[in-house]
Amino acid sequence: SAVISQKPSRDICQRGTSLTIQCQVDSQVTMMFWYRQQPGQSLTLIATANQGSEATYESGFVIDKFPISRPNLTFSTLTVSNMSPEDSSIYLCSVEGISGANVLTFGAGSRLTVL
Amino acid sequence: SQQGEEDPQALSIQEGENATMNCSYKTSINNLQWYRQNSGRGLVHLILIRSNEREKHSGRLRVTLDTSKKSSSLLITASRAADTASYFCATGRLNSGYALNFGKGTSLLVTP
Repeated sequence: SAVISQKPSRDICQRGTSLTIQCQVDSQVTMMFWYRQQPGQSLTLIATANQGSEATYESGFVIDKFPISRPNLTFSTLTVSNMSPEDSSIYLCSVEGISGANVLTFGAGSRLTVL
Repeated sequence: SQQGEEDPQALSIQEGENATMNCSYKTSINNLQWYRQNSGRGLVHLILIRSNEREKHSGRLRVTLDTSKKSSSLLITASRAADTASYFCATGRLNSGYALNFGKGTSLLVTP
């Protein structure tokens, strides 16, 4: 099955800084999804990233805060900008269709702590 | 917005016992899925049940779906310590491609 590599796996960041999370898939995929999981909570979809088009953001998430790049069919980045302690979360990238139609395959996640 | 609501929020059982988790959802679905998450890592897909199916099995997992009640249950039989994890149900998002809505999850602890 496909492998999704995410990095960094974890980081501790200072308030006001930005961090870019990378997601690499070992096969070509059309759609990639970025989720946030706040401590003790479920997953919330941030945006859907299709190659060759602008990412589609969910209500409550904006491009200025969470810019996303999707330069090709195997790679995407999510930047968390101007971080505050409220951004401390696990950020997960996922793709659809590798493990079956409508099934998401997830990266291991990036655990960010903002001080 | 989140679609599924699991209960219980937390469940503690001993090895060998069965664990049952329930999920309710709000809107029409094409399928419902269950995922497992170990210690804040990435989620792993367990099983998918389609809206025209009522029950599905995979190894020690048994999933039921009642579309009239908009509910599903996940049964893990003969649990093992390695089953300790959080379990989430997920449903598709209408008009949003293949992104999923996840429930709040059930935290399962299996003690030896």
